[in-house]
Amino acid sequence: QQPVQSPQAVILREGEDAVINCSSSKALYSVHWYRQKHGEAPVFLMILLKGGEQKGHEKISASFNEKKQQSSLYLTASQLSYSGTYFCGTESSNYGQNFVFGPGTRLSVLP
Amino acid sequence: DAGITQSPRHKVTETGTPVTLRCHQTENHRYMYWYRQDPGHGLRLIHYSYGVKDTDKGEVSDGYSVSRSKTEDFLLTLESATSSQTSVYFCAISKGTGSTKNTEAFFGQGTRLTVV
Repeated sequence: QQPVQSPQAVILREGEDAVINCSSSKALYSVHWYRQKHGEAPVFLMILLKGGEQKGHEKISASFNEKKQQSSLYLTASQLSYSGTYFCGTESSNYGQNFVFGPGTRLSVLP
Repeated sequence: DAGITQSPRHKVTETGTPVTLRCHQTENHRYMYWYRQDPGHGLRLIHYSYGVKDTDKGEVSDGYSVSRSKTEDFLLTLESATSSQTSVYFCAISKGTGSTKNTEAFFGQGTRLTVV
């Protein structure tokens, strides 16, 4: 069952901040975040594990609320290179690694 | 970059014909996945594998089968292609060391399949 992402799309000016949300109806073990540029493959940004362990990207941060089965990705002082579609991927257990991705949030950063 | 190669990169096929897409990795990663990507749906999991000959269904597995006879290769077969299977197909790999660590997935460059 796919997680839900919001917003579907966002347009920013360079230097502005954005938040992308991901929520699931299932209890989550981990949340992954990926960015995909047009015509390219998705690229890993961030992983958040149940229990608080986090790996990240230098200028992008994220939170994971296990009780609410929600995660948020924070992009601060956005750059033109941040443009793309952001996907959250979720896993409900630490066995099997059955990643399920949300529908994506399209982010456009304008000069 | 992770060593993951998809072939072919583009294919046009006729309705009713079988089609096989190949994913090849040089990383010796345990987990391999097939996704399809369609506008408005993001990435949807078709099948995944957690070892040689160990596979499981994803959310959109109807009309697809997979095989993994070697660690490095994961094949996706459309048994009888339909127009609804026109899509971009991505393969992904993940290290996933058993039940302990959850690790990032690396994606191939995708295969654009058109069923006419």
